[in-house]
Amino acid sequence: DAGVTQSPTHLIKTRGQQVTLRCSPISGHKSVSWYQQVLGQGPQFIFQYYEKEERGRGNFPDRFSARQFPNYSSELNVNALLLGDSALYLCASSRDRDRGREAFFGQGTRLTVV
Amino acid sequence: GQQLNQSPQSMFIQEGEDVSMNCTSSSIFNTWLWYKQDPGEGPVLLIALYKAGELTSNGRLTAQFGITRKDSFLNISASIPSDVGIYFCAGQRGTGKLIFGQGTTLQVKP
Repeated sequence: DAGVTQSPTHLIKTRGQQVTLRCSPISGHKSVSWYQQVLGQGPQFIFQYYEKEERGRGNFPDRFSARQFPNYSSELNVNALLLGDSALYLCASSRDRDRGREAFFGQGTRLTVV
Repeated sequence: GQQLNQSPQSMFIQEGEDVSMNCTSSSIFNTWLWYKQDPGEGPVLLIALYKAGELTSNGRLTAQFGITRKDSFLNISASIPSDVGIYFCAGQRGTGKLIFGQGTTLQVKP
């Protein structure tokens, strides 16, 4: 079975631009979460979506938004990019919304803002 | 953002040695997870722990869920060069949100 897939793998954007990152969860998984990982740190929670609804949001500005589609895939959008948005963006899928189910991560999208 | 206290920050050991790292929090968690991340890749799940006091093994890896539910440790026995990487602990309280430690960078000298 395919794991969590993310696209693109690498991206370079200019300050002020907008970016859309994509994620396809493991088959049968209904929950998708997004994390930002800055170099040298652990991942930071951005959003969780379950059954196409936002179920959790981390401490990120409104420039960050996301959605989940009927097939459970998800997009993360970031508007008005700042240099500080440069990071590895990780998508994780899990079978359920909570109850401590394991989260499996994709390989990430490396975003560089110049 | 909130992170767990993970130690040590880095380790440089000889091949064949055992390794121990731990993670502590001021808050209780319902689940503890341990991940390994290689450069340019996403974290890979190693062990999941669901009950206080639980001790779980995965090959040469052993992890425990602390009885206070505020800590967890990971042991690697007889380290080998492919154990090199960054190890992260993550806690979960019953929602999908994971809170990560800062990571332990492991280097193994052949």
